[in-house]
Amino acid sequence: AQTVTQSQPEMSVQEAETVTLSCTYDTSESDYYLFWYKQPPSRQMILVIRQEAYKQQNATENRFSVNFQKAAKSFSLKISDSQLGDAAMYFCAYRSASGKYGNKLVFGAGTILRVKS
Amino acid sequence: GAGVSQTPSNKVTEKGKYVELRCDPISGHTALYWYRQSLGQGPEFLIYFQGTGAADDSGLPNDRFFAVRPEGSVSTLKIQRTERGDSAVYLCASSWGQGVSPLHFGNGTRLTVT
Repeated sequence: AQTVTQSQPEMSVQEAETVTLSCTYDTSESDYYLFWYKQPPSRQMILVIRQEAYKQQNATENRFSVNFQKAAKSFSLKISDSQLGDAAMYFCAYRSASGKYGNKLVFGAGTILRVKS
Repeated sequence: GAGVSQTPSNKVTEKGKYVELRCDPISGHTALYWYRQSLGQGPEFLIYFQGTGAADDSGLPNDRFFAVRPEGSVSTLKIQRTERGDSAVYLCASSWGQGVSPLHFGNGTRLTVT
């Protein structure tokens, strides 16, 4: 079974600074997808960024980028120019590429990100 | 368009009671997922529907939990003989059924068992 580990329960960053959230995962599969989701107090999970394992190039979405190290099974999220609205719980998630699981996600325990003004 | 809607937003019930949690997916989404999120934890998979059928119910913790999706749209998660340990946020998500498509989540139902 796949597992996702987020070793940082909480992180803080000063507004306009850069912060990196860590994630490692365990799988025996070679093809899969990785995601970062943001969960504000409203509880709704919002997709931040997605990475396909077969792509070597790291995904970027505006101020958000990832450092995907397939051999190390590491998938960190970098947030540049942090804003107050970035404060939330962040979850790393894994999806098998095998169609039999649909779009089922396996989540890590989450990292609370606090942004200081 | 409307997103995934979950009702009620909050539910308080007494230990031993029966509860039903409802999820209205995005129109046209054939895949529907239920997750349970305990305090301070990540969501844990419960069950996945493709159309009307449960394609994967491996995450249901025991036989007190059951979910249906009779017409391939709205789904109801049913919990019998609730226990205090069932207290959590129950999240529903939907997606297109084919290929890799993003999950769209609702705001969840916070269940408190007293």
